[in-house]
Amino acid sequence: NAGVTQTPKFRVLKTGQSMTLLCAQDMNHEYMYWYRQDPGMGLRLIHYSVGEGTTAKGEVPDGYNVSRLKKQNFLLGLESAAPSQTSVYFCASSTDRGNSPLHFGNGTRLTVT
Amino acid sequence: DAKTTQPPSMDCAEGRAANLPCNHSTISGNEYVYWYRQIHSQGPQYIIHGLKNNETNEMASLIITEDRKSSTLILPHATLRDTAVYYCIVRVANTGGFKTIFGAGTRLFVKA
Repeated sequence: NAGVTQTPKFRVLKTGQSMTLLCAQDMNHEYMYWYRQDPGMGLRLIHYSVGEGTTAKGEVPDGYNVSRLKKQNFLLGLESAAPSQTSVYFCASSTDRGNSPLHFGNGTRLTVT
Repeated sequence: DAKTTQPPSMDCAEGRAANLPCNHSTISGNEYVYWYRQIHSQGPQYIIHGLKNNETNEMASLIITEDRKSSTLILPHATLRDTAVYYCIVRVANTGGFKTIFGAGTRLFVKA
């Protein structure tokens, strides 16, 4: 039981390049989330999904797209990376039961130059 | 969702109890108190949550005041591995995790 797995762990992009971050969970959770964490800003919700085939915007969705084609996977895409997207990205999942806590992966460290 | 206030940092001696306070004076009756921690370079880790009653699990105890306006997370015997940022969060009952809002937290330093 690996929990929440994020790939890659590190990535360096040049401005304008695109990439996809993959999140996979093996806990059969309905809900999945993408956060970013910047120094002094705490964790901010980018997008989330309440089930396969559904996505919704969080607090800071601009510049990102997501897809949830399979229940266990949640993809975060950057179509044209900008230096402002340099951050640590965390994926999380939870059940759909009320009050269920979040289970996080160990992050992807992205640098955009 | 109610906001929380935590001290920015605290120290604790190894082997002693670490008591981390959280103020949530505007908490509503249907809001739970959650605690997470984040050890350097790792993803946040869920610790415990509660509504009114005190709660205990294998990691920690959560003490919530009778008026629910504040709470304390207790690590009974802190170790060096407990050095981390601790987040206190309030969240409306029966809502999804997308209502989980992280603040700056308390940076706990456990010293030998």
